[in-house]
Amino acid sequence: KAGVTQTPRYLIKTRGQQVTLSCSPISGHRSVSWYQQTPGQGLQFLFEYFSETQRNKGNFPGRFSGRQFSNSRSEMNVSTLELGDSALYLCASSLYGGATYEQYFGPGTRLTVT
Amino acid sequence: GENVEQHPSTLSVQEGDSAVIKCTYSDSASNYFPWYKQELGKRPQLIIDIRSNVGEKKDQRIAVTLNKTAKHFSLHITETQPEDSAVYFCAASSRDYQLIWGAGTKLIIKP
Repeated sequence: KAGVTQTPRYLIKTRGQQVTLSCSPISGHRSVSWYQQTPGQGLQFLFEYFSETQRNKGNFPGRFSGRQFSNSRSEMNVSTLELGDSALYLCASSLYGGATYEQYFGPGTRLTVT
Repeated sequence: GENVEQHPSTLSVQEGDSAVIKCTYSDSASNYFPWYKQELGKRPQLIIDIRSNVGEKKDQRIAVTLNKTAKHFSLHITETQPEDSAVYFCAASSRDYQLIWGAGTKLIIKP
């Protein structure tokens, strides 16, 4: 089976712009979770989508949004970028959800906001 | 809200010695407890998990123990090797079907 893929792998944006990141889960997996990772900050949970519905959401401002398509692919959008949004964004797919089953992480998208 | 506390934040052990990382959770409804390992520059990967109906689980040099009464679980690595150097994350499921993560432990194996 192909692993989780994320595009793009690297991105440089200017403050105030918006960005869309994409995640393709492992075939058959219905859950996709998104995480923000900054040095020394661990894995900060953004949200989880299951069968096209947002099932859980972390403590991030409304500038962070996402969606999931019928083929389970997911996108994450960040509007009005701030310098503090610079981070590695990881997505993870799971059969029915990371709270019950193993999550498989993608390689991440490295976002730099200047 | 629910939280998971993980200690220590950094652990340095001599190669060949054992390492223990501890996590405490707050949600009594938690029933799934995975451990993920993230090597430098790589993605996190599951190394072992345990469910609430089991008290201990082992996989070669790695073991996890769960104390439901005290609400804590621990990762034990025996005979540590250089490739064990990484950041380890614990997590616990919550009653609203979310995974709550610990802050991570940086494990350093000294030669």
